[in-house]
Amino acid sequence: DAKTTQPTSMDCAEGRAANLPCNHSTISGNEYVYWYRQIHSQGPQYIIHGLKNNETNEMASLIITEDRKSSTLILPHATLRDTAVYYCIGPNDMRFGAGTRLTVKP
Amino acid sequence: NAGVTQTPKFQVLKTGQSMTLQCAQDMNHEYMSWYRQDPGMGLRLIHYSVGAGITDQGEVPNGYNVSRSTTEDFPLRLLSAAPSQTSVYFCASSRQGKTSANYGYTFGSGTRLTVV
Repeated sequence: DAKTTQPTSMDCAEGRAANLPCNHSTISGNEYVYWYRQIHSQGPQYIIHGLKNNETNEMASLIITEDRKSSTLILPHATLRDTAVYYCIGPNDMRFGAGTRLTVKP
Repeated sequence: NAGVTQTPKFQVLKTGQSMTLQCAQDMNHEYMSWYRQDPGMGLRLIHYSVGAGITDQGEVPNGYNVSRSTTEDFPLRLLSAAPSQTSVYFCASSRQGKTSANYGYTFGSGTRLTVV
């Protein structure tokens, strides 16, 4: 099962792009990478997932390196409401680490 | 479509008491799971179920029991509450198997449990 590594915290200015990295060097060829976020003490919210191609939806973009050992979640125009903990997880054991605490500042 | 519903939202127990945290989903999801989240920490998997009648242990199963008699419901039972079980409990469900390649997981809003 893939294990993921993320920075503990990041800051981003409001209106700028927030780029959140994740290392998943042990991921296997058929494992998707999933991203979730947790705002304050609410339940985690699904954001996006991907296998090998870059993905985009209404919430974010996901860039996966060609070797699939890392990925970056991009919030193109961060707002104060994007302040949250962001989790990058492998699919097959659904173990959430501490994630990255993103703080969007005015 | 209510999604994943957890009850109660808040609960205070005395040490040694037992209780059941309820989780119900109306999306016909096969996979359901329970997590606990301690202050400032990530989520830890307690138990999960890949379908009715099938359950398995996660990272921190001790002190908890689960059953899955229907697709919709996945209750979590605390057998004899301890202060170490003070936490926020989240239930999640997914469309198929242990993971869903297309839809991800849907989480409930949580149950905040305090054991005194």
